[in-house]
Amino acid sequence: KAGVTQTPRYLIKTRGQQVTLSCSPISGHRSVSWYQQTPGQGLQFLFEYFSETQRNKGNFPGRFSGRQFSNSRSEMNVSTLELGDSALYLCASSSADSTDTQYFGPGTRLTVL
Amino acid sequence: QKEVEQNSGPLSVPEGAIASLNCTYSDRGSQSFFWYRQYSGKSPELIMSIYSNGDKEDGRFTAQLNKASQYVSLLIRDSQPSDSATYLCAVIGGNKLVFGAGTILRVKS
Repeated sequence: KAGVTQTPRYLIKTRGQQVTLSCSPISGHRSVSWYQQTPGQGLQFLFEYFSETQRNKGNFPGRFSGRQFSNSRSEMNVSTLELGDSALYLCASSSADSTDTQYFGPGTRLTVL
Repeated sequence: QKEVEQNSGPLSVPEGAIASLNCTYSDRGSQSFFWYRQYSGKSPELIMSIYSNGDKEDGRFTAQLNKASQYVSLLIRDSQPSDSATYLCAVIGGNKLVFGAGTILRVKS
């Protein structure tokens, strides 16, 4: 099976802009979780989608949002970018829900200037 | 108290030695535990999962779980320079996967 894919792999934006990141889970996986990874904060949970519904949400401001489509592909959006949003954004998929083993995609490296 | 705690390291071991990585967690109700390896600039890669008390072996890797002590560990036998990476402990808590900050392992040849 193909693994989790994320696009784009690298992104450079300026403050105030918005960005949309995409994630395609492993075929047959219905749960997609998003994480932000920074050197100072480590891996932090953003949200989880299952069957097009947000089932869990981390402690991030409302500028961070996401959605999931009927084919389980997911997107996350960050509006009004801040310098502190520079991070590696990781998507992970699991077969049923977030309690199952999660497999990570390669990530999107976002740099905000 | 952090939900999942790991010593940040770095843990330095000579090639061929056993590396021992430790993790404690706060949610006594946690039932699923994972170890991921992350090379610099890459995404986390699953090494092992463990759900029951005791040891679970997979090649050179052994995961150990003690729910009473809320402790999970990873042993790497015959450590190789290619094992040098950050090792992340992850625990299911509150229906989400919670990660520790990771332990940096350096294997010296």
